[in-house]
Amino acid sequence: EDQVTQSPEALRLQEGESSSLNCSYTVSGLRGLFWYRQDPGKGPEFLFTLYSAGEEKEKERLKATLTKKESFLHITAPKPEDSATYLCAVQASGANNLFFGTGTRLTVIP
Amino acid sequence: DVKVTQSSRYLVKRTGEKVFLECVQDMDHENMFWYRQDPGLGLRLIYFSYDVKMKEKGDIPEGYSVSREKKERFSLILESASTNQTSMYLCASSSYTTQYFGPGTRLTVL
Repeated sequence: EDQVTQSPEALRLQEGESSSLNCSYTVSGLRGLFWYRQDPGKGPEFLFTLYSAGEEKEKERLKATLTKKESFLHITAPKPEDSATYLCAVQASGANNLFFGTGTRLTVIP
Repeated sequence: DVKVTQSSRYLVKRTGEKVFLECVQDMDHENMFWYRQDPGLGLRLIYFSYDVKMKEKGDIPEGYSVSREKKERFSLILESASTNQTSMYLCASSSYTTQYFGPGTRLTVL
């Protein structure tokens, strides 16, 4: 059965304090792994898609990496505006739908 | 930019009422999805559609139905709303892998 586990559930960082969010997954053949950002009361905003182990993608202060069992979202020198819930999802081979983790709620303190 | 719009941001209905949630996308995507999001449970797939008039059940279809008469529009129907259907409802669309989400509808059933 497909499974996605995100850790930690919540993370508080000082502004400028770099850290990483983890997404461990079990899927029957990975078609893609996705990272989204979600602000309170809003829909998820797409960040990255990763397709194969070893792949990395960057956007501003965020960098996503992928291995065969997990993905990391590295946040470098975060700012208060990076505060949000970060969601990880996987898509199995041959599937149209995504399977989501429950997210990591990030708070960046000025 | 991909745009997915949902008919209402907030909706309050009474138990037993028939509820329609509408979703429109402007990117000519084949696939459209309806999720609900609840604290601690993450996003769960209700139904999805991969073509006009085609639909597939997701993980939690009970109590819901859907309609897709045009490619750009996907409707979620609660035939007889119940209090346990109080939730955030999210629509998404995709052409291949990456799903793009709408702003969400916060539905409260009294």
